Amino acid sequence: DTGVSQDPRHKITKRGQNVTFRCDPISEHNRLYWYRQTLGQGPEFLTYFQNEAQLEKSRLLSDRFSAERPKGSFSTLEIQRTEQGDSAMYLCASSLIRGKAYNEQFFGPGTRLTVL
Amino acid sequence: EDKVVQSPLSLVVHEGDTVTLNCSYEVTNFRSLLWYKQEKKAPTFLFMLTSSGIEKKSGRLSSILDKKELFSILNITATQTGDSAVYLCAVWAGANSKLTFGKGITLSVRP
Repeated sequence: DTGVSQDPRHKITKRGQNVTFRCDPISEHNRLYWYRQTLGQGPEFLTYFQNEAQLEKSRLLSDRFSAERPKGSFSTLEIQRTEQGDSAMYLCASSLIRGKAYNEQFFGPGTRLTVL
Repeated sequence: EDKVVQSPLSLVVHEGDTVTLNCSYEVTNFRSLLWYKQEKKAPTFLFMLTSSGIEKKSGRLSSILDKKELFSILNITATQTGDSAVYLCAVWAGANSKLTFGKGITLSVRP
């Protein structure tokens, strides 16, 4: 499968624990995005990378959240001291950007986080 | 702040009906509007619209953008039960390439 993959697909954790999710984008894609989706809402932008550089972070991304893309390939999203409000689907997407042209973002299957 | 509003939020139709899904937006430096279909998994891309008045078509689905009135519609003709899904509208605006999504429209097609 050459699409975007995410791991794990489901995560249940207790409040206060740390969790880390991984995203593997489509191999030649230089941009990688993280979104969060709660029930009944559309995905909300969290952050994105161009290669290994993190270019923008949403105000939704509190200081308990950190994302990395160390070699410009896979990315990790860590949530420290999880809260019940962090329960959501975390979606990763990737795209290939050349110049100013926009190319569609391909989404991964998501990681569903439940904080008890 | 960029804003995307979809209506109605949910819709129930019977197979064979035609449906029109609406998306309006208020954004700074609009670039493109995108439609995605989401079943119980990741959103899958349907259309990207950049120019006003040019209809994009794929099978029974079609979409058009009105940049003057700041809205788009997604039409589905001869609906099938497999069309049941959440339809998401998203706008690309500004210098980066993040998408701002609406809440989605839940379409249920009954046999």
